[in-house]
Amino acid sequence: KQEVTQIPAALSVPEGENLVLNCSFTDSAIYNLQWFRQDPGKGLTSLLLIQSSQREQTSGRLNASLDKSSGRSTLYIAASQPGDSATYLCAVMGTGGFKTIFGAGTRLFVKA
Amino acid sequence: DAGVIQSPRHEVTEMGQEVTLRCKPISGHNSLFWYRQTMMRGLELLIYFNNNVPIDDSGMPEDRFSAKMPNASFSTLKIQPSEPRDSAVYFCASSLALAGGHTGELFFGEGSRLTVL
Repeated sequence: KQEVTQIPAALSVPEGENLVLNCSFTDSAIYNLQWFRQDPGKGLTSLLLIQSSQREQTSGRLNASLDKSSGRSTLYIAASQPGDSATYLCAVMGTGGFKTIFGAGTRLFVKA
Repeated sequence: DAGVIQSPRHEVTEMGQEVTLRCKPISGHNSLFWYRQTMMRGLELLIYFNNNVPIDDSGMPEDRFSAKMPNASFSTLKIQPSEPRDSAVYFCASSLALAGGHTGELFFGEGSRLTVL
C-alpha cells in the first residue's frame, strides 16, 4: 500500500530564502507525481506534474525533482516571497490505475 | 477556461437533513473525483467516475453517501441523512484519463465547506 510522507509538517523562513520541501513515497512503482499548493479556505492548485520517466520539471521559481529509486521528490522554491505562504501537497499515482495518494502537506510561512 | 466549478461554497445544515453538493468538471475531461478533506484525515478519495460511470466507490464512508454523474458536465454528491461527523470540505476534481486508465493532471474545484450542526 502506497504511503506518502511530507517533511517537515511546517516551515517558517525569511523572505528571499531558497527552500526545499520533501516528499517521500513507499512504492516506487509510480505513474506520476504532482505538486499542489493550497491556500487557506481554497482548493488545490496544480503546480507541477512529473511523469515517472522524467527527473524534474520547472515552472518559474519552482523546480520539482523525482527520484523513483529512492522514493523521493523535492520541491525547490527559489527566492521565496510572502505570497508563497501556503500548504504544499504532493500526490503520487501508482502504475495500477487511477488512485492518487496525497501527503499531509507542508505548511509554509514566508516572513516579510 | 473555466476550472472545476463547485456549489455551494458553504453549507450549514442541521443533523438529519439532506445535503446535495454539485460539481461541473472541466470541459473535455473524462474523469471525475470526489474528495473529502479534514484536519484529522487529510484528503480522502470518496468516489471516482470515468466517462460518467462510477468505477470505484470504496471510499464512500456509508450508505448515507451517494454520488451520481448523469452526464459529462455534471455530478452530485448527496448525504442523507447528514451527521455532525460529516462536517468537512468536499472537493471535486477532474482530469483527462490517459492510456491504461491512468489519471492525468488533476484539477480541483474550490470546494464545498459543509457544517452539520
